[in-house]
Amino acid sequence: DAGVTQSPTHLIKTRGQQVTLRCSPKSGHDTVSWYQQALGQGPQFIFQYYEEEERQRGNFPDRFSGHQFPNYSSELNVNALLLGDSALYLCASSLWGGQWNYGYTFGSGTRLTVV
Amino acid sequence: GESVGLHLPTLSVQEGDNSIINCAYSNSASDYFIWYKQESGKGPQFIIDIRSNMDKRQGQRVTVLLNKTVKHLSLQIAATQPGDSAVYFCAENIRASKLTFGTGTRLQVTL
Repeated sequence: DAGVTQSPTHLIKTRGQQVTLRCSPKSGHDTVSWYQQALGQGPQFIFQYYEEEERQRGNFPDRFSGHQFPNYSSELNVNALLLGDSALYLCASSLWGGQWNYGYTFGSGTRLTVV
Repeated sequence: GESVGLHLPTLSVQEGDNSIINCAYSNSASDYFIWYKQESGKGPQFIIDIRSNMDKRQGQRVTVLLNKTVKHLSLQIAATQPGDSAVYFCAENIRASKLTFGTGTRLQVTL
């Protein structure tokens, strides 16, 4: 049973460029959340997608945007990259049960370096 | 604002001893808590969770205790092994919203 799959695993971009990160949720999950983890810190919530819509958003600028596809996979887009965007980007999938999110499962992340 | 904090940034234990990792949370509305283990270069790995209507939950070699009165959460690992060396995060969840993580505790297991 495949867990959460993220691609690419590593990425180097130049300031001002744009980047797209991809996530395939665990089989049976319908909700995808994205987190940013700076070195030595805990993950910070970016946003969550359910039924192809952004359901919640953390304290991140509009340069961060996302999308969820009908097959529940998701993309995270970051425009006008800054050096401070360098981090590990984590995708987590879960199953929405109407009141709870069940089975939060994280992928291994995409390490983004902005130079 | 909402926050999840940890008492100790680094915990060193001898192999075979029991480990206790503590976590304080500030939002009394939090209703779901998860402990994650994160090894270098990997994503957080689920260890155990607990809902606010419980005060204790046990898994294989791990136990989570929740004290809502003082807003405190702990993770107990029995017979700690070298493979348990990692950073441990507690995360809180409020009404199925986002997970809020602390900065983590590094567990070092010495032989």
